[in-house]
Amino acid sequence: EVQLVESGGGLVQPGGSLRLSCAASGFTFSNYEMNWVRQAPGKGLEWVSYISSTGITIYYADSVKGRFTISRDNAKNSLYLQLNSLRAEDTAIYYCARVSVDGYNLWGQGTLVTVSS
Amino acid sequence: SYELTQPPSVSVSPGQTARITCSGDALPKQNAYWYQQKPGQAPMVVIYKDNERPSGIPERFSGSSSGRTVTLTISGVQAEDEADYYCQSADSSGTYRVFGGGTKLTVL
Repeated sequence: EVQLVESGGGLVQPGGSLRLSCAASGFTFSNYEMNWVRQAPGKGLEWVSYISSTGITIYYADSVKGRFTISRDNAKNSLYLQLNSLRAEDTAIYYCARVSVDGYNLWGQGTLVTVSS
Repeated sequence: SYELTQPPSVSVSPGQTARITCSGDALPKQNAYWYQQKPGQAPMVVIYKDNERPSGIPERFSGSSSGRTVTLTISGVQAEDEADYYCQSADSSGTYRVFGGGTKLTVL
């Protein structure tokens, strides 16, 4: 089955860290660019970060630059997002999304990150 | 930072046509995509590259582009189309991806 499965979310205190993972299956992961997209409770979608298929090209939204790090391991069919210096405003469902010619055509179910003391 | 502007809400009766607009300075240069999101679900692409429809998306969904504005049109709206719709594109450099604020489509 073609799918993406996120994990690693949870409750963390302000200033803390988390590492999110996205496991890909059913397709050749190394052929695809990937993104992380988040959605705060009751709010809209916010693009967070992009990584090329080889991992060479990386972009971040200004809101997370310097605090979050995207990476991938094509041998393990996995995408990662390291979240550091977390703030209350980082509370959201974090989705990984596959990029194709027809847009972000495959999404995971999301993993919830809650930043609170 | 680059922004895409959508109306917060659109309401139509079943069978009518719904039009949702999205405006941004880089839209004449960058492709636009439209995503549908229903409560508790991940988003799903319904239009790509301004006006292309993925396989499996009903023909009543269409997209168009004119200058700084792209439009998602849903003809003959059905109750199942009630959802949040987001446009997505990139800034003029292609570096920063961005989503519009989202439009809640209500089927009366």
